Amino acid sequence: AQSVTQLDSQVPVFEEAPVELRCNYSSSVSVYLFWYVQYPNQGLQLLLKYLSGSTLVKGINGFEAEFNKSQTSFHLRKPSVHISDTAEYFCAVSLIYNQGGKLIFGQGTELSVKP
Amino acid sequence: DTAVSQTPKYLVTQMGNDKSIKCEQNLGHDTMYWYKQDSKKFLKIMFSYNNKELIINETVPNRFSPKSPDKAHLNLHINSLELGDSAVYFCASSHGQGVGETQYFGPGTRLLVL
Repeated sequence: AQSVTQLDSQVPVFEEAPVELRCNYSSSVSVYLFWYVQYPNQGLQLLLKYLSGSTLVKGINGFEAEFNKSQTSFHLRKPSVHISDTAEYFCAVSLIYNQGGKLIFGQGTELSVKP
Repeated sequence: DTAVSQTPKYLVTQMGNDKSIKCEQNLGHDTMYWYKQDSKKFLKIMFSYNNKELIINETVPNRFSPKSPDKAHLNLHINSLELGDSAVYFCASSHGQGVGETQYFGPGTRLLVL
């Protein structure tokens, strides 16, 4: 079975500081990796995804993530955060050979950006 | 135009009632999903449909019955509502078979069972 662990449930950070949100996954088969963001009282929106190729993936709003197969990690980073980045961030995986596109989510990390 | 829309946005009801949530997408996608987000914000897939055909049915009680009248709509009917059904329900859609595709989420339906 597959699982996703987001190592920090809450990450408080000051505006313009760098941030890293950590994600580890467990799977015996190959997976695709995703980061989604959920702003308060809204649905989820894709930040970025890793399907294949370069292990450094750039997404929207200045976020990037690096796939590390040996450490089964997919950490999300941003060099300088804004107040507007305050949201819940979800790491997710889906099986490459899975019919239906099922996403398995981590528990979420609440990013709180303070002025 | 809203890409994935859900109605109603809020639903407050008594235990034992039956209720439906509607979802529509205008993106021309083939695959649609229902997810449940609990009070701790944990998200879990419930169902997935591709071109009106049920593809994924996670271990969801029989009281939950999805219906897809066409590929742009995926509705969720819940019978005999229980307190534990209180959650936010998200509809989503994606291209093709969905594998590796970006999922586009609706705004959610906040269900409270009293």
